Amino acid sequence: DGGITQSPKYLFRKEGQNVTLSCEQNLNHDAMYWYRQDPGQGLRLIYYSQIVNDFQKGDIAEGYSVSREKKESFPLTVTSAQKNPTAFYLCASSTGRGPPHTDTQYFGPGTRLTVL
Amino acid sequence: AQKITQTQPGMFVQEKEAVTLDCTYDTSDPSYGLFWYKQPSSGEMIFLIYQGSYDQQNATEGRYSLNFQKARKSANLVISASQLGDSAMYFCAMRGPTNAGGTSYGKLTFGQGTILTVHP
Repeated sequence: DGGITQSPKYLFRKEGQNVTLSCEQNLNHDAMYWYRQDPGQGLRLIYYSQIVNDFQKGDIAEGYSVSREKKESFPLTVTSAQKNPTAFYLCASSTGRGPPHTDTQYFGPGTRLTVL
Repeated sequence: AQKITQTQPGMFVQEKEAVTLDCTYDTSDPSYGLFWYKQPSSGEMIFLIYQGSYDQQNATEGRYSLNFQKARKSANLVISASQLGDSAMYFCAMRGPTNAGGTSYGKLTFGQGTILTVHP
């Protein structure tokens, strides 16, 4: 079955630590995205990547870093510079082809990060 | 800038009845896409339905249909024959044709969501 997997489902971090969230897709999609969701709110874009070895900042990139070394994988690192990292993190992918406003994004199951 | 407004924080519906979830949007782009997602308590965002700004007909997907009124800038989701499993948060989202490489290229702009509760 094709889909998007995220691990771990729950993650606990001590203050001052970097943590890396995994996102893998086997949909043969070119584009991948990371969003953050805070309680009772919609999603906000952190980073996106349209193609391997290229990525762009979204609206709230400060304190986060990403890499895109393989088409299937788009890991997100939450650094100690992120002042309020406790949130639900969702990874998404899309074909990346055609006009962007027609390009549906499909989401993984999410990772819930809690800073202790 | 794009904006999505969902004015119903919570909605209740009886099982097997139809329900409409409201969504209004604002954009200056002539080309845009409107999406609805369902988020159950597990957290995963499930894509439901898509409507393009130039589509002449309202989109339908099984029990989901989108009541698209372009002049009013509204894109309401209609769920027919509600089921207990439809209880979830529902988000309306928009994506425009913005330039590649910009901070808004990849972005889906989301509304605040509506919590739907289906009663037996």
